[in-house]
Amino acid sequence: QSLLTQPPSASGTPGQRVTISCSGSSSNIGDNYVCWYQQLPGTAPKLLISTNNQRPSGVPDRFSGSKSGTSASLAISGLRSEDEADYYCATWDDSLSAPVFGGGTKLTVL
Amino acid sequence: QVQLVQSGAEVKKPGSSVKVSCKASGDTFSIYTISWVRQAPGQGLEWMGRIIPSTGTANYAQKFQGRVTIIADKSTSTAYMELSSLSSEDTAIYYCARAYNYYPWDYWGQGTLITVSS
Repeated sequence: QSLLTQPPSASGTPGQRVTISCSGSSSNIGDNYVCWYQQLPGTAPKLLISTNNQRPSGVPDRFSGSKSGTSASLAISGLRSEDEADYYCATWDDSLSAPVFGGGTKLTVL
Repeated sequence: QVQLVQSGAEVKKPGSSVKVSCKASGDTFSIYTISWVRQAPGQGLEWMGRIIPSTGTANYAQKFQGRVTIIADKSTSTAYMELSSLSSEDTAIYYCARAYNYYPWDYWGQGTLITVSS
């Protein structure tokens, strides 16, 4: 089981705002920055958010990240059909001395 | 543009080893680290380890210690991941990914499917 807990699924209709949570502990999210990845079917993960809330060049501002205490969230506003994908959070775990991923959230656009 | 191009899919027998390559282009190979992340069918992402090409230092996830070896060839800007004592549970897509440190990984290879089957 992953040290980072994400809901297995989320859904929304086009134009809606959806948030995906990532819950951890003081040894991972509480003490380190969080990044988020989008994985479209059959493709490699793509970096959406680095260091809690920074968007790499080219990532639309519809995507935003936040962190509070031992939890982090990814928000997607103005939901579009092409946002249908799996989303993963990742951070460093001090106890493992290694990066760890959340279990992933499958986002469905209804 | 930055590209990480991995070697092709392989089918391996249980108990054997596999070596996957990851060739980088479009940027200075030595200033980054290369990690290997795997994804079993229908499952999530799992970090296996990383290499610092400039020093040759490798770090491995505890789960894979003793079974995985990651190296880098600076002359060809290529990283390699070798996994030994394969079992069916190692059937997965293996990705290489670039980072300045351990994470976040900003560029990923296309993935290499390794199937372990008798």
